[in-house]
Amino acid sequence: GESVGLHLPTLSVQEGDNSIINCAYSNSASDYFIWYKQESGKGPQFIIDIRSNMDKRQGQRVTVLLNKTVKHLSLQIAATQPGDSAVYFCAENIMNQGGKLIFGQGTELSVKP
Amino acid sequence: EPEVTQTPSHQVTQMGQEVILRCVPISNHLYFYWYRQILGQKVEFLVSFYNNEISEKSEIFDDQFSVERPDGSNFTLKIRSTKLEDSAMYFCASSDGYPSSYNEQFFGPGTRLTVL
Repeated sequence: GESVGLHLPTLSVQEGDNSIINCAYSNSASDYFIWYKQESGKGPQFIIDIRSNMDKRQGQRVTVLLNKTVKHLSLQIAATQPGDSAVYFCAENIMNQGGKLIFGQGTELSVKP
Repeated sequence: EPEVTQTPSHQVTQMGQEVILRCVPISNHLYFYWYRQILGQKVEFLVSFYNNEISEKSEIFDDQFSVERPDGSNFTLKIRSTKLEDSAMYFCASSDGYPSSYNEQFFGPGTRLTVL
């Protein structure tokens, strides 16, 4: 039978295209959100973050959008490159819970050259 | 660039044995965390630690687990009697404050624990 959690959502894009990775978070009390990139065999690497009082934040080639109404977070990567291939996790933080980050399931991004 | 380091990179142990996973957080950081990731699954919070005491712990972090900052640089996770289901990647993280725009949690490369 199928094992829950072993099949990550995957997104396959062509090099140079824009990528959009989506995440639904769970707790309306979350006040801080982060996108992490995880390459095979490595720890999560910070990409970009956003506070709950914002709905958009831009970095270099990346943009995070936050929709608190529907508890949805997205990561947009412009001009996707082969080096962007990785698993991307969103994480949420709830204030006054000791800094605990709650990670989403992850999306595997595959960039075709 | 400062980074979190972890040793060993891979630990193999027999069920019922004790293991200690070691981490050296970034030197000026004050908040320390352990997370684990079972193969192919999401990263799960275990515990956070500040000022020599646990700030928050998850349901996973039961009496078999303990953390310690034995000196000014190391942060350890001990599992007293390992079970097969403890097999996972264990990540240490540190930050100079609770998460906010200026207090990013930096993750180490992880220790892969295999329990036989």
